[in-house]
Amino acid sequence: QVQLQESGPGLVKPSETLSLTCTVSGGSIKTNCWSWIRQPPGRGLEWIGGVCSSGSANYSPSLRSRVTISVDWSNNYFSLKLTSLTAADTAIFYCVGGANNVFHYRGQGVLVTVSS
Amino acid sequence: ETVMTQSPATLSVSPGEGATLSCRASQTIRSNLAWYQQKPGQAPRLLIYDASTRATTIPARFSGSGSGADFTLTIRSLQSDDFAIYYCQQYNSWPLTFGGGTKVAIK
Repeated sequence: QVQLQESGPGLVKPSETLSLTCTVSGGSIKTNCWSWIRQPPGRGLEWIGGVCSSGSANYSPSLRSRVTISVDWSNNYFSLKLTSLTAADTAIFYCVGGANNVFHYRGQGVLVTVSS
Repeated sequence: ETVMTQSPATLSVSPGEGATLSCRASQTIRSNLAWYQQKPGQAPRLLIYDASTRATTIPARFSGSGSGADFTLTIRSLQSDDFAIYYCQQYNSWPLTFGGGTKVAIK
């Protein structure tokens, strides 16, 4: 049973960079695609970006200038960096993954608040 | 970018009744569509993928249909556990995109 666990700060200051990590256990990270999604309070789901073992990372056009997703294929984790944060970036961030970009697996989510 | 549009935004249904949710893509996505269920305080859970294949442990009262640009999620005989928000997601091409969601509420 593949399990995902996000880790990172719950509070970040405006203009700073958010760094989150997702640890994958119970299965190999090399055989699936992995993404980050987020959900602002009371709103819908937004895909941030993702990567499959067969290629490079892809990003949402609205966030591309501020996002980097990287994968450590040997140590079973992947990461998100989001720069120049504003209050509009306050959200629950989820790491998700599965074959062919179908999100069979998901973390429990981490609430990130952007505030001074 | 493929824009996903869900309708209605809210669907009020009595327990035991059925529900039909729609999802439309701005361009053809073949059958590369998934449906997720989200309850308050929880991560979204995969229900259906490849437009009509139920995920592991999903009961048979959930079914998906469609291909190309128009898709439907049907829930037969709603149970109390089914009142939630449902999202569709296309994975035909990058960037991946979600619909805005349909809230299935108790009537």
